Amino acid sequence: AQSVTQLGSHVSVSEGALVLLRCNYSSSVPPYLFWYVQYPNQGLQLLLKYTSAATLVKGINGFEAEFKKSETSFHLTKPSAHMSDAAEYFCAVTVNTGNQFYFGTGTSLTVIP
Amino acid sequence: EADIYQTPRYLVIGTGKKITLECSQTMGHDKMYWYQQDPGMELHLIHYSYGVNSTEKGDLSSESTVSRIRTEHFPLTLESARPSHTSQYLCASSAGGGSYNEQFFGPGTRLTVL
Repeated sequence: AQSVTQLGSHVSVSEGALVLLRCNYSSSVPPYLFWYVQYPNQGLQLLLKYTSAATLVKGINGFEAEFKKSETSFHLTKPSAHMSDAAEYFCAVTVNTGNQFYFGTGTSLTVIP
Repeated sequence: EADIYQTPRYLVIGTGKKITLECSQTMGHDKMYWYQQDPGMELHLIHYSYGVNSTEKGDLSSESTVSRIRTEHFPLTLESARPSHTSQYLCASSAGGGSYNEQFFGPGTRLTVL
């Protein structure tokens, strides 16, 4: 079975500072990994995904994530936080032979002016 | 415009009532999903469908039922609502083929059962 762990349910950064949201996965077969963002009263929106091509994946809104197999990690980063980045972020994993996505518990990002 | 829709967005209802949460997508996706989302918790899959007349239960035990009579429509029904059903319900869809296809989410229905 697959799972993801998001370390830190709440992260606060200053506007302009680096954003780092952590995601570690567990999978016995090569995984596909995703980051989603959820704004208040909205559904989830895809930020980026890893599907076994390039290990450094660039997404929307200046976010990127790096797949590190040795560390079983897929951390999300953004060089400079904007106020509009304040939201809930979810990491998810699935596999080619699986039927389901498995989501983490989410990380709430606060951006301090 | 290709999108996924959920109605109602908010619903407050009394215990014992029958309710149906609607979900429709205009993207022609074969796969559709229902998740339950509570604060601080991971999304729990309660039902999914890989095509017309195909439905399966997810990991989370649920007293709800679903149907998939048309590709674009995947309603979720609670025969008798209870306060424990209070939650946010998210509908999603994805294209067929590989599991690497991302899921597209609707805006959600926030259900409160009194």
